[in-house]
Amino acid sequence: GAGVSQSPSNKVTEKGKDVELRCDPISGHTALYWYRQSLGQGLEFLIYFQGNSAPDKSGLPSDRFSAERTGGSVSTLTIQRTQQEDSAVYLCASSTNRGKETQYFGPGTRLLVL
Amino acid sequence: GDSVTQMEGPVTLSEEAFLTINCTYTATGYPSLFWYVQYPGEGLQLLLKATKADDKGSNKGFEATYRKETTSFHLEKGSVQVSDSAVYFCAFNNNDMRFGAGTRLTVKP
Repeated sequence: GAGVSQSPSNKVTEKGKDVELRCDPISGHTALYWYRQSLGQGLEFLIYFQGNSAPDKSGLPSDRFSAERTGGSVSTLTIQRTQQEDSAVYLCASSTNRGKETQYFGPGTRLLVL
Repeated sequence: GDSVTQMEGPVTLSEEAFLTINCTYTATGYPSLFWYVQYPGEGLQLLLKATKADDKGSNKGFEATYRKETTSFHLEKGSVQVSDSAVYFCAFNNNDMRFGAGTRLTVKP
């Protein structure tokens, strides 16, 4: 079946612009996660959704970052007034539920802020 | 708190060499353990997993055994190929996923 998909695959933007990143999880997966991976670094947790609610948004680095999920499916991560330090790969993952389940990752969106 | 420590890279091997990437974790209870692989320009792919003590996960010639007594989940492969060049992440999930920093492996012909 279809895996996790993300769009766009690459995004180049100018400092100060807003960007929206999209994630389509695996059908039926109730849990959805956003991570950030800076160049050559490990994964930084951003936010977790269970259904449409976000019980854990502790990893969002600033109030410029927000995310929503609708219909228990698609999620959008929005970065307002982008800064150069926001340049990274943004990865989305989904799992059947939270707990000790396997997370399945999308291919990521590579964001470059000029 | 809960954490994962994996061997720092980069690791460079010749084709057909034996690979070990060490991974240890700190967590209460019995987390699920994972190895993910990230090829250049791609997202993370699940390589293998184990969910209880003494389980062995295996895939594509890679193996790792869940060692509760040493809280370890070392990744091994008997004969690496050039196509195994990638970054490998150890992770555990104890109701909250934790990832290691990643180990970059380069296999030379």
